Amino acid sequence: DAKTTQPNSMESNEEEPVHLPCNHSTISGTDYIHWYRQLPSQGPEYVIHGLTSNVNNRMASLAIAEDRKSSTLILHRATLRDAAVYYCILWGETSGSRLTFGEGTQLTVNP
Amino acid sequence: DGGITQSPKYLFRKEGQNVTLSCEQNLNHDAMYWYRQDPGQGLRLIYYSQIVNDFQKGDIAEGYSVSREKKESFPLTVTSAQKNPTAFYLCASSRRELNTEAFFGQGTRLTVV
Repeated sequence: DAKTTQPNSMESNEEEPVHLPCNHSTISGTDYIHWYRQLPSQGPEYVIHGLTSNVNNRMASLAIAEDRKSSTLILHRATLRDAAVYYCILWGETSGSRLTFGEGTQLTVNP
Repeated sequence: DGGITQSPKYLFRKEGQNVTLSCEQNLNHDAMYWYRQDPGQGLRLIYYSQIVNDFQKGDIAEGYSVSREKKESFPLTVTSAQKNPTAFYLCASSRRELNTEAFFGQGTRLTVV
């Protein structure tokens, strides 16, 4: 499976933007970059995904490097409810049908 | 409402007993997945299924079994062969296409005493 690398933890202040990085140097051309987040004792929640172009939705933006070896999840104005573990995942032909998770980044948001 | 339901939320069992965790979805998804999560860790894939009557082992299938007799249901049995079954179990479903998202249930916390 193609691997992703994320920092173990990051900290932000409320109402400031947050940039969560992810490295995926072994990504293949058909792998989609997905982000999920998980609050304590809950199931993960889909955030966003993309293939090549930057993507925006109501929750976040996804910036994908031109060579696709890295990406950044952007939360434009962090709130306390954004404190969670954020997982960056590659899902495509190299992973087959397998949706596999790494350890993710624990985001702390300070009031 | 469409979604994925896991039951029960909390489950207690005595050591040596098999226990079956329920996962039901009404999203008409072909693919379903089971994960295990230990405290402070990420999700580890146990089994997954792309279609009815077919499933594959994930990374930690030993001590677990599944069935996929109906599209909407993917029950997981934790057998007595699983050496350390106490964990948080998560079920997910998705369409089979690559350009899709996965939906997760709220999990079952299994405690074996």
